Amino acid sequence: ETGVTQSPTHLIKTRGQQVTLRCSSQSGHNTVSWYQQALGQGPQFIFQYYREEENGRGNFPPRFSGLQFPNYSSELNVNALELDDSALYLCASSLGRETSNIQYFGAGTRLSVL
Amino acid sequence: DQQVKQNSPSLSVQEGRISILNCDYTNSMFDYFLWYKKYPAEGPTFLISISSIKDKNEDGRFTVFLNKSAKHLSLHIVPSQPGDSAVYFCAARGQSNYQLIWGAGTKLIIKP
Repeated sequence: ETGVTQSPTHLIKTRGQQVTLRCSSQSGHNTVSWYQQALGQGPQFIFQYYREEENGRGNFPPRFSGLQFPNYSSELNVNALELDDSALYLCASSLGRETSNIQYFGAGTRLSVL
Repeated sequence: DQQVKQNSPSLSVQEGRISILNCDYTNSMFDYFLWYKKYPAEGPTFLISISSIKDKNEDGRFTVFLNKSAKHLSLHIVPSQPGDSAVYFCAARGQSNYQLIWGAGTKLIIKP
């Protein structure tokens, strides 16, 4: 059983650019949630995808968007990058969209915006 | 507006003793709580959870206690082992069933 993998591990971008982060779900999981974790803080929920549709969204602007593919892997896209977007981005997969279902996390992508 | 608070950024405990990690929340609508553990360069891993209809849940060395009137939960680890050194996050289910609200984490250091 393969775990959740995220790519790339690290990324450096400049303000105003666009970035795409990728996540492969754990085998058999149909739900992916994305989180932003700023330094010294807990993860903040960005959005969740369930069976290729957005199932819910946190308090993030529309320049944060996502996709889920038929194999349940997922992408997080961020447009018009700002300095405050510098953070660790985590994805988590689960079987089902309820928060009572255990979420399995990848190691994250560290994004630095200069 | 921090709805889930972990007021101790770090905690140091002797190996073999009890570790107690605390978490406070402000929203009485939260009905499900989870603890995750995170090692450096790894994602968080699920540890234990509790529903608001219970006041205690136990899994091996780990016990979570929930005090709804105080809006407080705690994670007890006994006995503490060196492998328990990690950052521990408390999370609560928000008003939607898909969203978790997380605390800032407590770094637990187990001293030999």
